[in-house]
Amino acid sequence: GAVVSQHPSWVICKSGTSVKIECRSLDFQATTMFWYRQFPKQSLMLMATSNEGSKATYEQGVEKDKFLINHASLTLSTLTVTSAHPEDSSFYICSASKLGQAPHFGNGTRLTVT
Amino acid sequence: QKEVEQNSGPLSVPEGAIASLNCTYSDRVSQSFFWYRQYSGKSPELIMSIYSNGDKEDGRFTAQLNKASQYVSLLIRDSQPSDSATYLCAVNIRNTDKLIFGTGTRLQVFP
Repeated sequence: GAVVSQHPSWVICKSGTSVKIECRSLDFQATTMFWYRQFPKQSLMLMATSNEGSKATYEQGVEKDKFLINHASLTLSTLTVTSAHPEDSSFYICSASKLGQAPHFGNGTRLTVT
Repeated sequence: QKEVEQNSGPLSVPEGAIASLNCTYSDRVSQSFFWYRQYSGKSPELIMSIYSNGDKEDGRFTAQLNKASQYVSLLIRDSQPSDSATYLCAVNIRNTDKLIFGTGTRLQVFP
């Protein structure tokens, strides 16, 4: 069964609004989670590393003020896309791993900004 | 040079054949290597992980790693139409849990 849960699976929002995406590790604690973005026919691009109890680490070119990450507990990380615009429309995916195991991905969130 | 390189394909094989997917990586220090399968519109699903040189078999899948050549491959035996998907090679960044993904190889298995 799934070890990482992501919600919502899809969301449509108007330009200028904010959207929050949740990522939960099921039955295990994840001190680190990762957020990816995938545009159509492209590979996954790492956006940031979410660290429990500390600030997220963003990859080069990713605006930290636009993509707010909060790792509130050992089982929950959230990504908030602030003031979303059509170019933010994408497939957002989180991942987490149990200690010593390969990372598993959530089911992803398809964001459409109109 | 890209950190993780894959041929984008599509790779077309007949049902029952062996599909061979290849991946090269640039960071010699990488220790962990993964193959994920991604169906259109879905998130990646872990197929295999491999950490040491040689072959690792799991059912119809065999991962092969050659660190000297910085090369990792995935063989799918007895390919089925349901194996048709994009296969992503992922390599960890040195001393971290971060993964860098290749662009993926699209596999098509025709009946």
